[in-house]
Amino acid sequence: GENVEQHPSTLSVQEGDSAVIKCTYSDSASNYFPWYKQELGKRPQLIIDIRSNVGEKKDQRIAVTLNKTAKHFSLHITETQPEDSAVYFCAARAPTDSWGKFQFGAGTQVVVTP
Amino acid sequence: DTEVTQTPKHLVMGMTNKKSLKCEQHMGHRAMYWYKQKAKKPPELMFVYSYEKLSINESVPSRFSPECPNSSLLNLHLHALQPEDSALYLCASSQSRLGRGLQETQYFGPGTRLLVL
Repeated sequence: GENVEQHPSTLSVQEGDSAVIKCTYSDSASNYFPWYKQELGKRPQLIIDIRSNVGEKKDQRIAVTLNKTAKHFSLHITETQPEDSAVYFCAARAPTDSWGKFQFGAGTQVVVTP
Repeated sequence: DTEVTQTPKHLVMGMTNKKSLKCEQHMGHRAMYWYKQKAKKPPELMFVYSYEKLSINESVPSRFSPECPNSSLLNLHLHALQPEDSALYLCASSQSRLGRGLQETQYFGPGTRLLVL
């Protein structure tokens, strides 16, 4: 089955700097890669996702890149703000994982200091 | 309505109690999920319902019993839980379990924080 590794586990950045989180996956058939942001005590919220037919997707200060050859995808947050502080989870879904099962990464705790 | 709702928000129960968690969505989604999440860990899939039928049981102990009365509702019945079952229980839904486009995107409810004493 699919296995997703996520790095780093913690990331401290100064406000205004950029943050990058990287995930690698094992199943080359994986074709859907969502990113979730989870603030303390709240639900995971989808912030951006990408499909295997696209190399990059951007939404304001957030972007995701996908390298299918290397089997990794990354989340980029530019001009970080204190409200970006949260745990971020990547996930991958392979068509062979039926019934919509996601494989999540272990998460990255992002702390943005003013 | 673009939200998944869950009740209760918090639940404290003893090991001999029976309780139920409820989840509701009115987005017309036909796949619904139960996840368990421990602090600072990713969600762990427990059950998947697709078109009101149980599709996946991730080897969950029988003290957890899911139920899908209709396409908008999902319940999780709890009985004889253990302290290690204390966690955040998240419900999620997606348009369908497989497919292209937006169908597979999962939207999470706010969760029920469960404490077993």
